[in-house]
Amino acid sequence: GDSVTQMEGPVTLSEEAFLTINCTYTATGYPSLFWYVQYPGEGLQLLLKATKADDKGSNKGFEATYRKETTSFHLEKGSVQVSDSAVYFCALRREYGNKLVFGAGTILRVKS
Amino acid sequence: SQTIHQWPATLVQPVGSPLSLECTVEGTSNPNLYWYRQAAGRGLQLLFYSVGIGQISSEVPQNLSASRPQDRQFILSSKKLLLSDSGFYLCAAPRQGSGANVLTFGAGSRLTVL
Repeated sequence: GDSVTQMEGPVTLSEEAFLTINCTYTATGYPSLFWYVQYPGEGLQLLLKATKADDKGSNKGFEATYRKETTSFHLEKGSVQVSDSAVYFCALRREYGNKLVFGAGTILRVKS
Repeated sequence: SQTIHQWPATLVQPVGSPLSLECTVEGTSNPNLYWYRQAAGRGLQLLFYSVGIGQISSEVPQNLSASRPQDRQFILSSKKLLLSDSGFYLCAAPRQGSGANVLTFGAGSRLTVL
């Protein structure tokens, strides 16, 4: 079945450090890929998405590129801030489906 | 704009007691609705989804049930809670105009079963 695998956390970085959170997926066809963010005590918010191979999603300085050849959608940010501390979820939606499959989430902690 | 309301926000219940978590959606009609659970240290697990009134699909066998009595109301229930039912429950619906491609989530209901 469809699945999403994320790197285990927590990831602890200093402010202004470079961030990478790895995400790989297993799915048939051409799924849409997403990154959601969950700030402390809140629900999930869409951070960015990509709907086809080689698409790059970007938002708030975060980027992720849909790599069909490596079935990956790694999240990157050039310079993290303390306010980026949150849980990040990678997710996919099957090409003709209506359900999201989430990864386990990666906790990011940014220290000042 | 579309808004998802969940309540209660937090709940502490004894083992064996009943449960009712409510989700209502504003700003859209006939949406697909979803219940997810986020257990401590684990990712999001899809529990139920509904494509319309009275139509419920269960993704995993469990102690919970869901109902959709109205177009924009989705209820998660249990007759007798287990310790393992503790978690953060999130209701979600596709964002309007996204072609069902993006989910909007409620703020969640945190359930602790003692």
